[in-house]
Amino acid sequence: SQTIHQWPATLVQPVGSPLSLECTVEGTSNPNLYWYRQAAGRGLQLLFYSVGIGQISSEVPQNLSASRPQDRQFILSSKKLLLSDSGFYLCAWSVLSGGEDTQYFGPGTRLTVL
Amino acid sequence: RKEVEQDPGPFNVPEGATVAFNCTYSNSASQSFFWYRQDCRKEPKLLMSVYSSGNEDGRFTAQLNRASQYISLLIRDSKLSDSATYLCVVSNQAGTALIFGKGTTLSVSS
Repeated sequence: SQTIHQWPATLVQPVGSPLSLECTVEGTSNPNLYWYRQAAGRGLQLLFYSVGIGQISSEVPQNLSASRPQDRQFILSSKKLLLSDSGFYLCAWSVLSGGEDTQYFGPGTRLTVL
Repeated sequence: RKEVEQDPGPFNVPEGATVAFNCTYSNSASQSFFWYRQDCRKEPKLLMSVYSSGNEDGRFTAQLNRASQYISLLIRDSKLSDSATYLCVVSNQAGTALIFGKGTTLSVSS
């Protein structure tokens, strides 16, 4: 069965510090991978998605970036965090099957920028 | 019109009640529709896909009206464990990503 891991689970960082969040998927090959952010009182916002190694699409302009160095590894980074980067960061994977592309989420990283 | 719009609630119902959530979406080209459930401070989890013919999974029934761009979720015989936020989800026009509503909060009490 497929599993998705994210770490760390919780992170408190000062403004201006760098960020690296990691997501890995097991039990599937060539998944689509996604990074979402859920800010307090707001819906899930898609940040990046990737259909393969080195292929990253950005949905919103921001000071975050994403990389996919391996098939089942997706990394979210920032060189300098802003207060507005606080939120719940969720990684998700999907595999197109029968015309349907259901997404499954990791446990998330709760980031607080102070 | 917002891409995916839901009544935020909260819906406060007693155990055993039947409750219905509604959702509207703006992109008529969307092809995939889902309901996800999110518990407090946890990740969203797929509850069920929504098909054009309507579908049922135990106490949960989902319906889709493409003409009206409207999706619904009906929960019968509510349990305490049904308390959560229910997210209406629609695929984007390209089919490359999902668009999430902000969710409807349900609280079931004894």
